[in-house]
Amino acid sequence: DVKVTQSSRYLVKRTGEKVFLECVQDMDHENMFWYRQDPGLGLRLIYFSYDVKMKEKGDIPEGYSVSREKKERFSLILESASTNQTSMYLCASSSIDRVGEKLFFGSGTQLSVL
Amino acid sequence: QKEVEQDPGPLSVPEGAIVSLNCTYSNSAFQYFMWYRQYSRKGPELLMYTYSSGNKEDGRFTAQVDKSSKYISLFIRDSQPSDSATYLCAMSALRGAGSYQLTFGKGTKLSVIP
Repeated sequence: DVKVTQSSRYLVKRTGEKVFLECVQDMDHENMFWYRQDPGLGLRLIYFSYDVKMKEKGDIPEGYSVSREKKERFSLILESASTNQTSMYLCASSSIDRVGEKLFFGSGTQLSVL
Repeated sequence: QKEVEQDPGPLSVPEGAIVSLNCTYSNSAFQYFMWYRQYSRKGPELLMYTYSSGNKEDGRFTAQVDKSSKYISLFIRDSQPSDSATYLCAMSALRGAGSYQLTFGKGTKLSVIP
């Protein structure tokens, strides 16, 4: 089974802090993603990466950055946390075959910014 | 018009009922259709996957795609309390060079009452 592991289930941070969310996958997938999920807004793509040291902006990249130094690890960075970044953060990796792309998600990190 | 529309519910049914969950879409380039199940405070997990019009069955679950009407459905037979979760539809289109555009519905929250 594909395993996507997010380092923290719950985090509480202060406004202005720099926050690191870590994600590791064990299936040698090329593609990795960071989403946030908010009630009524669904899943929104923050950043994604199709290769080591490569990143692309998703729909809502403002206030975030990412790092992919190794294939299995994809980190999301909140440079200066703000209260409107309180959310559930979901990391995913994907496999691509002849019938398309399938995403596999981690368990999520519930981040509260006070 | 949003690319993917999904009724958020909540939907509450008695145990043993047949459940019908639906999504409509506007982008005719979508070729691959998925259903994810998300339990409370967990990440989404891939439940069903199909890439053609028609039905695909897996145990108590049936995924149906009607490309002519741009409409997909997930049917759950003999629903169980353990089916209580949020169900998200997802669709993807080939963007070129082996990469895909993946779009999620906002999810329908289902409760199966014993």
